[in-house]
Parts: sequence; C-alpha cells; structure tokens
Amino acid sequence: DTEVTQTPKHLVMGMTNKKSLKCEQHMGHRAMYWYKQKAKKPPELMFVYSYEKLSINESVPSRFSPECPNSSLLNLHLHALQPEDSALYLCASSQPPGAGGPSYEQYFGPGTRLTVT
Amino acid sequence: GENVEQHPSTLSVQEGDSAVIKCTYSDSASNYFPWYKQELGKGPQLIIDIRSNVGEKKDQRIAVTLNKTAKHFSLHITETQPEDSAVYFCAVSRPAQGGSEKLVFGKGTKLTVNP
Repeated sequence: DTEVTQTPKHLVMGMTNKKSLKCEQHMGHRAMYWYKQKAKKPPELMFVYSYEKLSINESVPSRFSPECPNSSLLNLHLHALQPEDSALYLCASSQPPGAGGPSYEQYFGPGTRLTVT
Repeated sequence: GENVEQHPSTLSVQEGDSAVIKCTYSDSASNYFPWYKQELGKGPQLIIDIRSNVGEKKDQRIAVTLNKTAKHFSLHITETQPEDSAVYFCAVSRPAQGGSEKLVFGKGTKLTVNP
C-alpha cells in the first residue's frame, strides 16, 4: 500500500481565517513533506520532517506553520493567508536511508486545493 | 543549487507511437532520479525511478536511462495509449538533513496521446 491521504480535498478561506490541512500515511515512512504547486508548474518544496523533527524549511512565510504530531500524521496550519497562496498543497512521504525498506521513493497524496479569497 | 531542465514542454503522439522526454541536471552529487505522472486534479504518481549506480531500468512499457557523465536521463514510453496522457515530471534528488531527501523537479511535459 503506497497511499498518502489528505484532507480536505478543497478549502476556501478568507484572509483572516485560520485553517489546517491534514496528511496521513500508514507506510511506516519516517520522512514527510509539504509541497506547494501552482497551476502548470512543478511542485515546490516547503517543509520536510524527518523522524518527527523539522529538518528543512525552504524559507516559507510564517503564515504557514507545519506540525508533525506523530510518525503517521502531518499538519499544515494556515493563518492570514494572501490570495497568491492559492494553490494545490501536496503532502508526500518517504523512508529515510537505513530505516528499512526502499529509501528515497517519495509518494504523494492527492493534494488539497486551497483558494484564498 | 540543483537545476533541472526538462524537454519538451509539450509532446503530442499518435496512439501506439513511442514518446521520449529528456532531463538534464547540474549537481553531480545527485543520486536518485524519479519520474512522476500527474493527471488532472490528482497528485503526482511515481511511475519509475533510477539510482546513480544503474544505467537503465525498464518496467513494461516504461523505461528510464541515465547517463551520469553527461548528467542527463530520459523517460521512454512505448506503445502509447490515450490513458498515458498526463503531465510528466522528472526529478533529481540528493540526501538532505536528518535522513530526508530533497527533490528538485523539472518544469514538466504535457503528453497528449491521440487515439
């Protein structure tokens, strides 16, 4: 099973709202990722968690706040977003080298389509 | 940082023909090269990958070749079918902090297979 699930599928929020995106995987992967994808563009890395610790923040504005409550879950908390933050937000997971199983293969969820009004 | 160039940006073929998409990269330390297929409204799906110690890998109608010296790799799809129509992304990876990896994507190729 190589499934990564994301909720909600669609989200419309105003610039003053606070919302959260959720991601879950049950593959035993210990690395989880958030990407942002604009229309007709490739995914862009935002954050990486490895063994539940934040290991990479690609200079993402503080209005995006990631959280990894446990090895299966990844959240992205959103606050005071701008219309230009409207995009498809993708979660992915992989197995770090040495953790058992094939490493490097990143599996993506279906994404959350976010619209900021 | 890593720079990944992908060509062509669009590709239209007749059903049954072959399709080839090419990528070049800049960082010689990169060691993992996946290809993703993204259909409309869906997340990217890993379809094939190759590691730096291998020159070619095949899975049914899909194959990937890697030339580490020239820093380029290619996706080959044979006997294309309409359901192969999608956007294809190449990516390049190298280990990052904490045991994770960092994927850098090409700009994508929109493949259309005409019946």
